[in-house]
Amino acid sequence: GIQVEQSPPDLILQEGANSTLRCNFSDSVNNLQWFHQNPWGQLINLFYIPSGTKQNGRLSATTVATERYSLLYISSSQTTDSGVYFCAVRGKETSGSRLTFGEGTQLTVNP
Amino acid sequence: GAGVSQSPRYKVAKRGQDVALRCDPISGHVSLFWYQQALGQGPEFLTYFQNEAQLDKSGLPSDRFFAERPEGSVSTLKIQRTQQEDSAVYLCASSLGGFGNQPQHFGDGTRLSIL
Repeated sequence: GIQVEQSPPDLILQEGANSTLRCNFSDSVNNLQWFHQNPWGQLINLFYIPSGTKQNGRLSATTVATERYSLLYISSSQTTDSGVYFCAVRGKETSGSRLTFGEGTQLTVNP
Repeated sequence: GAGVSQSPRYKVAKRGQDVALRCDPISGHVSLFWYQQALGQGPEFLTYFQNEAQLDKSGLPSDRFFAERPEGSVSTLKIQRTQQEDSAVYLCASSLGGFGNQPQHFGDGTRLSIL
């Protein structure tokens, strides 16, 4: 099946810093989503972005489908940004509609 | 409802007991998914429904796991004769269409602990 790799696995920032999280995938996709799992375990939709660029406030994401990667940018980070960021994809060759998740990036933003 | 609703939020059971976890998807969503998330890992697919039809159950770890969605809305995930390795967060998600190219929306999960 499709493989998803996220980097870095862990990231520690000071409040106000910027960061870039990366997601590489092994095959063509027709669904790619970025999620934030907060310390209470809630999985929050950030972006649905199988291709192109989107922005939402301090967050933006870019997926280059032809090169099989996606980037999540966080600017002016805040302590509430802490948590685990997951990339999840559905491969075009995947039977059914399941999402395959990466292992996540654990982000800690210190005051 | 406004979002995917799961109940109970927490469940503690003794090894060998049966448990039932409920998922109420976003109204009108055709597709419903169950995922299992072990501590420190990403969610892993269990099973998928399109309306009332269970189209993919390849992720269910054993025949002790059973899911149903009899009327195409609410779904129940049942685990029989629970074992300690079943301890995890069980997440339900729904999406509007049935072709895998629309976003999935997740509930808050049920945290299952088997003693």
